[in-house]
Amino acid sequence: SQKIEQNSEALNIQEGKTATLTCNYTNYSPAYLQWYRQDPGRGPVFLLLIRENEKEKRKERLKVTFDTTLKQSLFHITASQPADSATYLCALPSLGNTPLVFGKGTRLSVIA
Amino acid sequence: NAGVTQTPKFRVLKTGQSMTLLCAQDMNHEYMYWYRQDPGMGLRLIHYSVGEGTTAKGEVPDGYNVSRLKKQNFLLGLESAAPSQTSVYFCASSSLGRAATEAFFGQGTRLTVV
Repeated sequence: SQKIEQNSEALNIQEGKTATLTCNYTNYSPAYLQWYRQDPGRGPVFLLLIRENEKEKRKERLKVTFDTTLKQSLFHITASQPADSATYLCALPSLGNTPLVFGKGTRLSVIA
Repeated sequence: NAGVTQTPKFRVLKTGQSMTLLCAQDMNHEYMYWYRQDPGMGLRLIHYSVGEGTTAKGEVPDGYNVSRLKKQNFLLGLESAAPSQTSVYFCASSSLGRAATEAFFGQGTRLTVV
């Protein structure tokens, strides 16, 4: 089965800096990878999806890269703000394209 | 614009009691899922459904049963609750097809088994 590792359980950065979160996976390479945001007491909310033939995807201050050779995705938040503080989850489809398998998440804290 | 709605939001059960968690979605999605989330364990898939009348086991199905009698509803049952089932349960749904689509999550049900 697919295994997902997110680089760290918690990450603290200063406001205005770029936050970089890592998602590594083992076994087979998925057709796509997704990133979600989860606030305390709430369900995850979809942020971005990147397909295997895409190297990079951007949405406002968010950028995701997908390196199928390294079996890794990087998630960047530029010009970070305290409102970006949350847990970020990466997710991949299990074999057969459904359902999603989630990493344990990285809890990001942006300090003013 | 409800999306995915879970009922109830909170529940305390005694060991051995049974209960049903209800998930309803109004987006006409084919796929529905039940996950549990525990500290340090992340989201783990319990059961899922790829359409009305179908169900399949996920990573941690023991102690749970599910039913998908109507397309918009996905029920998760605990026949005899155990303290190990204390968790936050999330329901999610996504649309049909092999194309990658996002999953929409409910707000969660916090269950405590004492």
